[in-house]
Amino acid sequence: AQKVTQAQTEISVVEKEDVTLDCVYETRDTTYYLFWYKQPPSGELVFLIRRNSFDEQNEISGRYSWNFQKSTSSFNFTITASQVVDSAVYFCALAVKAAGNKLTFGGGTRVLVKP
Amino acid sequence: DVKVTQSSRYLVKRTGEKVFLECVQDMDHENMFWYRQDPGLGLRLIYFSYDVKMKEKGDIPEGYSVSREKKERFSLILESASTNQTSMYLCASSSGGTAFYEQYFGPGTRLTVT
Repeated sequence: AQKVTQAQTEISVVEKEDVTLDCVYETRDTTYYLFWYKQPPSGELVFLIRRNSFDEQNEISGRYSWNFQKSTSSFNFTITASQVVDSAVYFCALAVKAAGNKLTFGGGTRVLVKP
Repeated sequence: DVKVTQSSRYLVKRTGEKVFLECVQDMDHENMFWYRQDPGLGLRLIYFSYDVKMKEKGDIPEGYSVSREKKERFSLILESASTNQTSMYLCASSSGGTAFYEQYFGPGTRLTVT
């Protein structure tokens, strides 16, 4: 069975601070995909990134960056120079080939960015 | 842009009522999903469908059923609503095939069962 753990339930920062969200996953499959989604106060989840298990390159997109480390089964997400608009709940999710197109989500981390 | 719409943002029902939650997507996606979201538990998959008239159970199907008569529409049915089904319900869709495409989500329906 698959499992995703987001140990931080809530993080509060002041604007312009960096914030890192942890994600640890468990699976016995060798082919899998990892995702991050953002859920702003409006409620609709927004897709941020997808990585496959064979690509451990870190990725940067503007102020967002992701660190994928298979050795520690982690896929951490960093927001650099946070802004108030980054306030949201962030979910890490895992899909494995053997389970088809289903996603297993972590419990989510609420990020509050104060001005 | 992919658009996933859900019939209601807020719904209040009484215990024992039959409840229908509707979801429509406009991108001709093969896959559709129903999740419930509860604090601290993330999103949990209730049912999903890979094609019209096809359905498969997710992780928590008890107390729910689904219907997919048309490709763009996926309905979640609570046959006899109970208070423990008070939750946020999210619908999603994605392209089919063997690749793991991202899922697109609707705005959610917050259901309260009294």
